[in-house]
Amino acid sequence: DGGITQSPKYLFRKEGQNVTLSCEQNLNHDAMYWYRQDPGQGLRLIYYSQIVNDFQKGDIAEGYSVSREKKESFPLTVTSAQKNPTAFYLCASRTVWTVNTEAFFGQGTRLTVV
Amino acid sequence: GDSVTQMEGPVTLSEEAFLTINCTYTATGYPSLFWYVQYPGEGLQLLLKATKADDKGSNKGFEATYRKETTSFHLEKGSVQVSDSAVYFCALSDGSSNTGKLIFGQGTTLQVKP
Repeated sequence: DGGITQSPKYLFRKEGQNVTLSCEQNLNHDAMYWYRQDPGQGLRLIYYSQIVNDFQKGDIAEGYSVSREKKESFPLTVTSAQKNPTAFYLCASRTVWTVNTEAFFGQGTRLTVV
Repeated sequence: GDSVTQMEGPVTLSEEAFLTINCTYTATGYPSLFWYVQYPGEGLQLLLKATKADDKGSNKGFEATYRKETTSFHLEKGSVQVSDSAVYFCALSDGSSNTGKLIFGQGTTLQVKP
């Protein structure tokens, strides 16, 4: 079945550590996105990529980094510079060559600082 | 910039009651509008969408009409079930670009009691 897979489902980070969240899709979508979800604040865009080896900052990119070496994969690294990383992280993908199509989401990764 | 405003929750209804969740938007260009649903601990699933003025999106008994004159996309269902309990997000995608960025409202929690 086609879809987006995020892993792990739960992740715990110690202070000062970098952690990487995985996102893989087999939908042949060109564009991929990372959103952060906090209670009562909706979803905020961290980074997005429309093509391999290219990506752009979203609204809250500070403290995060990404790479897009393969079309299918868009991992997100939460660095030690992100001072409040505890949140639910959602990856999404979309085809960009047809306007007005919806985004498909993974099941999310819940990151907790311990 | 573009934005989406949803009614604050939680919305608590009895089973078989009528549901309305209000959504208004501000956007330049010609956005597409979406409703997504999120069940506890999961990612977002597309519920319905509308891509131009006066379009009506519908799915699983839910409906929403794209009203350009009132910049609204209110979600309605005639008879809710306990299984409809979830968080509902209204979102827009700028139709004049192909970045596919979705801008989300803050989400509205629906609780349906038997």
